[in-house]
Amino acid sequence: AQSVAQPEDQVNVAEGNPLTVKCTYSVSGNPYLFWYVQYPNRGLQFLLKYITGDNLVKGSYGFEAEFNKSQTSFHLKKPSALVSDSALYFCAVRSLKAAGNKLTFGGGTRVLVKP
Amino acid sequence: DTEVTQTPKHLVMGMTNKKSLKCEQHMGHRAMYWYKQKAKKPPELMFVYSYEKLSINESVPSRFSPECPNSSLLNLHLHALQPEDSALYLCASSQGTSGSVSYNEQFFGPGTRLTVL
Repeated sequence: AQSVAQPEDQVNVAEGNPLTVKCTYSVSGNPYLFWYVQYPNRGLQFLLKYITGDNLVKGSYGFEAEFNKSQTSFHLKKPSALVSDSALYFCAVRSLKAAGNKLTFGGGTRVLVKP
Repeated sequence: DTEVTQTPKHLVMGMTNKKSLKCEQHMGHRAMYWYKQKAKKPPELMFVYSYEKLSINESVPSRFSPECPNSSLLNLHLHALQPEDSALYLCASSQGTSGSVSYNEQFFGPGTRLTVL
């Protein structure tokens, strides 16, 4: 079975400060890891993914994430947060043993960036 | 065109009504998905279609009936729903099939906000 944990329900950060959203995962075999963002009353937007290769992945809107195999983590980061980054963020994982392209999502982390 | 569209945006229905949700994509994706999302919760997978064939049904009640008429369209037929079925229903699509694990991301539509009275 595969699972994802996002240990923080909410992260508060001041505009201009670094933003980190934590994610840990559990899968059998090699993971495919994804970050999505959801704005109110909208669908999910893809931010970035890790498949293989460089552990530091760069994505949309200045976000990046670091894959750490030993710690089974895939934390999302942004060097300087904007008020417009306030949204709900989901980490997701898929493994070689997941049938049908099934994604497993974490519980989500609400990010609030204050001016 | 890198967009998944869903209609209607909002739907209010009674427990005896029959309605349908529609989803369309023109990205040439051959995998399409229905998710249900409650407020402040992650999406829950309902159905997966691969090459217009149902490949996953996550034990969804029969009052939800999916249909994939062609490679671009996905419908969700609703009948005799319960108030607890009120949620945001999301459609998504991706490259890849159910026969192998895909590392391709899913593209989500904006959702249909369903309220069952």
